[in-house]
Order: sequence, then C-alpha cells, then structure tokens
Amino acid sequence: DTGVSQDPRHKITKRGQNVTFRCDPISEHNRLYWYRQTLGQGPEFLTYFQNEAQLEKSRLLSDRFSAERPKGSFSTLEIQRTEQGDSAMYLCASSPLRGGIGELFFGEGSRLTVL
Amino acid sequence: KQEVTQIPAALSVPEGENLVLNCSFTDSAIYNLQWFRQDPGKGLTSLLLIQSSQREQTSGRLNASLDKSSGRSTLYIAASQPGDSATYLCAVTRNTGGFKTIFGAGTRLFVKA
Repeated sequence: DTGVSQDPRHKITKRGQNVTFRCDPISEHNRLYWYRQTLGQGPEFLTYFQNEAQLEKSRLLSDRFSAERPKGSFSTLEIQRTEQGDSAMYLCASSPLRGGIGELFFGEGSRLTVL
Repeated sequence: KQEVTQIPAALSVPEGENLVLNCSFTDSAIYNLQWFRQDPGKGLTSLLLIQSSQREQTSGRLNASLDKSSGRSTLYIAASQPGDSATYLCAVTRNTGGFKTIFGAGTRLFVKA
C-alpha cells in the first residue's frame, strides 16, 4: 500500500479557470476527507465521504466547490471560476473504520496558485 | 462548535532540551485526538493518536496526554533534535453526527543545533 496519493501536486491557473484535484485514498479506507490549508494556519475542513456518500460539507465552501467520490474509491475536488482567494494547499486524508480507531492518513497535498 | 487552540504559536529551543506543546479544545465530546507533524510544503504525518478512553500514548521520544474533562492535551518531546524542527498540529475528532476532525493552527518548532 503506497499511502494517500494526490494529483497534481502543483497547479498554477489564471483567475476564472476551473481546476480539478484527484485523491486516491489508502485502499479499503472507507472515509475520505478534504481540507484546505493556507500559510501559517491549520487545515480547514471542507468535506468528507463515507464510501460514496458525502456526509458533510463545510458552510465555508461556496457553490463553486464540488467534490465527488463516485465509486467509493478515488475522489475529485473541483473548483469552478477560481479566485485568488482560492490559492492554498488542498489536502486529502483517508481513514479506516476498523475497531473505531479513526486515524487520519494524509497525502502530500495539491498546491493551487491562482494568478 | 468545536474550537482547537495551540500554545505557543512558535517555539525556539536549543538542541537537547525537553519541551511541551499544548492543545486545548472547547467540546469534550471527542472520539479521539491526534498529533501530527508537518514539514514546510508537505502533507501531515501522524505522530500519536489517543482514543477518548485513553490518558496517554507514547512513541519513542514523544508522549502525548489527554485530559478530556478539562479539554487539554500535551505533546512532550524529550531530548529535542534539529530534525524535530517542524510544525506540530493537534486535531480532535467529534463523536456525534459523524467523524469530523478539527485542527488547531499548530506550533512551529525550531530546534537549534
């Protein structure tokens, strides 16, 4: 098992463009989380899935953000009509639900720069 | 609403010193508490996880304690080394209505050789 994988690692885009990030969780982890992190801050919760069901979405997430996990495996996070304020590190984490441990395992993140 | 606070925000110590990082949370109805390490520009690495029924966990030079009733956790690092320089993040997972995990802003640690 190679851990949580995120792609792309870096993305530079112009304001107004759409971007999509992909996250491949650790296999058999049924929970998947997306977080956003800006410089000097802790990760900020965006949304999470249990299998293919999106169980919660942060109120901080505008309608320009959408996340999917169509088959309960990989997930995508799409940002439409990007704004400079969307520049951040987007982190994905997965978690097993075995024995109620619930430990989070993070990927290396996808860094977005909006010009 | 759960809020997680970490003190101090930054810390600089000489190599070899023992140190304590603090984490406080406002809602004691937690499922677990996790400590992470983050190097600049990288993802988060899990250090220790404490379940709500536990009081502490140890891994090598690291020891984390949990006092759920007072809403506090500490991360103790023994005999600090320059390689310990990183940001340390505390995160709590609630035990109601799903398993949402909330992070503190972190403590930036610099260990001087």
